[in-house]
Amino acid sequence: NAGVMQNPRHLVRRRGQEARLRCSPMKGHSHVYWYRQLPEEGLKFMVYLQKENIIDESGMPKERFSAEFPKEGPSILRIQQVVRGDSAAYFCASSLQSNQPQHFGDGTRLSIL
Amino acid sequence: AQTVTQSQPEMSVQEAETVTLSCTYDTSESDYYLFWYKQPPSRQMILVIRQEAYKQQNATENRFSVNFQKAAKSFSLKISDSQLGDAAMYFCAYRTSQGGSEKLVFGKGTKLTVNP
Repeated sequence: NAGVMQNPRHLVRRRGQEARLRCSPMKGHSHVYWYRQLPEEGLKFMVYLQKENIIDESGMPKERFSAEFPKEGPSILRIQQVVRGDSAAYFCASSLQSNQPQHFGDGTRLSIL
Repeated sequence: AQTVTQSQPEMSVQEAETVTLSCTYDTSESDYYLFWYKQPPSRQMILVIRQEAYKQQNATENRFSVNFQKAAKSFSLKISDSQLGDAAMYFCAYRTSQGGSEKLVFGKGTKLTVNP
């Protein structure tokens, strides 16, 4: 039973480009969460989605960031016009039900040149 | 808003010894969940142990156990018989039990070094 799959593992972008991070939840999980980890920091919540719906986006920056979890396919975290400050590790987690433990992927390390 | 504080940026322990990592949190809720996650150099986030606030009994998972003091809002992790593979960042996390807000709130982490 595969765990949460994130790709790519590493992503390099130049300032102003777009970054797309993908997350396939564990089989049977319909709840997806995105977190961001800056260097030497803990993870910070960004957004919580449940198939086709955004449930809580209180941690998402108001501009340039968006997330989706379509009926078919992985969840996507999209960052437009990236800036140096977007450099971080982005983690996706999934759970079977909202009150069940969240299982994390290996993260995507985003580097902005 | 809930906050989680880990007051020990770094800790070290001798192999086979016991170490305790501290965590305190702030909340006005009476029912919630607490977690300890381990992040080794590979950067995976691995769930170590979970505690439900309404359960008075402290959770235990093999060599890992917690000391949950609800009144003091304290949730420490004890690692017994420490092994080299236990070396990692350890994050304490809080989650509300109320529906619609299942986000985890993390502390800043404690870096654990295990000395041979």
